[in-house]
Amino acid sequence: NAGVTQTPKFRVLKTGQSMTLLCAQDMNHEYMYWYRQDPGMGLRLIHYSVGEGTTAKGEVPDGYNVSRLKKQNFLLGLESAAPSQTSVYFCASSYSKASGGATDTQYFGPGTRLTVL
Amino acid sequence: DQQVKQNSPSLSVQEGRISILNCDYTNSMFDYFLWYKKYPAEGPTFLISISSIKDKNEDGRFTVFLNKSAKHLSLHIVPSQPGDSAVYFCAATPYGGSQGNLIFGKGTKLSVKP
Repeated sequence: NAGVTQTPKFRVLKTGQSMTLLCAQDMNHEYMYWYRQDPGMGLRLIHYSVGEGTTAKGEVPDGYNVSRLKKQNFLLGLESAAPSQTSVYFCASSYSKASGGATDTQYFGPGTRLTVL
Repeated sequence: DQQVKQNSPSLSVQEGRISILNCDYTNSMFDYFLWYKKYPAEGPTFLISISSIKDKNEDGRFTVFLNKSAKHLSLHIVPSQPGDSAVYFCAATPYGGSQGNLIFGKGTKLSVKP
């Protein structure tokens, strides 16, 4: 049971380049989330998904897109990277109330450190 | 406007003593609160939570207290150990857990000295 995994761990991009961050979970969780953490800041929600095929905007969605084609995977895309997107990105997942789990306990991946030059 | 505030960026405590980490919130709709612990280069890990229908929840060395009238919660670690040195994030959910969206504070870095 690997929990939540993220690929890649590190990445350096030039301004204007695109990339996709992959998050995978093997806990059969319904809900998945993407956060970013900047120095001196808490985690801020970018996008989230409450089930396969669904996505929704969080607190800071601009410049990002997401897809949840499979229940276990949640992809975060940057179409045209900007230096302001330099951050550490965390993926998380959680149960849903429908499955009787503790909705609010989120399990986090190890993070992806992204630098945009 | 920050809805979850951790006003102390850092805290230093001697091993064996009590660590008290504080968190204030402004949104009266929050009804579930969590503490996460984060080591460098790792993702946050869930530590302990409390529902708004309780004022205390205990798990081993960790106890969370909730004062709804003051919109304040605190995490007590007794006794503190060097392995507790980490950044602690307070988080709250405004939707009764229906979506699981969490609002995080900025974190408090705890250093426990041997």
